[in-house]
Amino acid sequence: QKEVEQNSGPLSVPEGAIASLNCTYSDRGSQSFFWYRQYSGKSPELIMSIYSNGDKEDGRFTAQLNKASQYVSLLIRDSQPSDSATYLCAVNLQTGANNLFFGTGTRLTVIP
Amino acid sequence: KAGVTQTPRYLIKTRGQQVTLSCSPISGHRSVSWYQQTPGQGLQFLFEYFSETQRNKGNFPGRFSGRQFSNSRSEMNVSTLELGDSALYLCASSLAGVRTYTFGSGTRLTVV
Repeated sequence: QKEVEQNSGPLSVPEGAIASLNCTYSDRGSQSFFWYRQYSGKSPELIMSIYSNGDKEDGRFTAQLNKASQYVSLLIRDSQPSDSATYLCAVNLQTGANNLFFGTGTRLTVIP
Repeated sequence: KAGVTQTPRYLIKTRGQQVTLSCSPISGHRSVSWYQQTPGQGLQFLFEYFSETQRNKGNFPGRFSGRQFSNSRSEMNVSTLELGDSALYLCASSLAGVRTYTFGSGTRLTVV
């Protein structure tokens, strides 16, 4: 079992819809969770971080964390074509080492 | 302020050769982490350097090595290149751990 797993997609949603991206992780003691966006040919860009159970909202983005279920999700409301990218879930494991474990990413396409 | 600078952007090498990649972190950042990104495995942690010391290491063979200089610039070296080493190599600098990661644009290495 990989440390972080994501549905690789691709996920296609129409413009204006809600895109829902999901991620599960194996280390129950993990403390820090991140969502990165990566456009084709570019480097990952941090869009959301979440550290405690519940929801965290930032503009059109909402991150949700459920530590009991070892589950992290990202909702993108009012999806725009510019949101088309690969979304990477990343977790800092319980060991506290200064590195992230990444999922393989979910490719999102927003259809105009 | 200047971001994380990686050089070169692209490299083509032959099997068996060695290669050195460079990463200049954001001014003031003392931690530099290296990741390998491939389509099949996603982003995988190579190692982290902090104040010229390797602080953490991922699960890669000894052909992959790195170092950090007193100005926090870091280099990674891959010896005896294999076809499977073809990847995007990303470095991330941080001030305070994974929560403040900033990725560079990456070096695309192709081994032929």
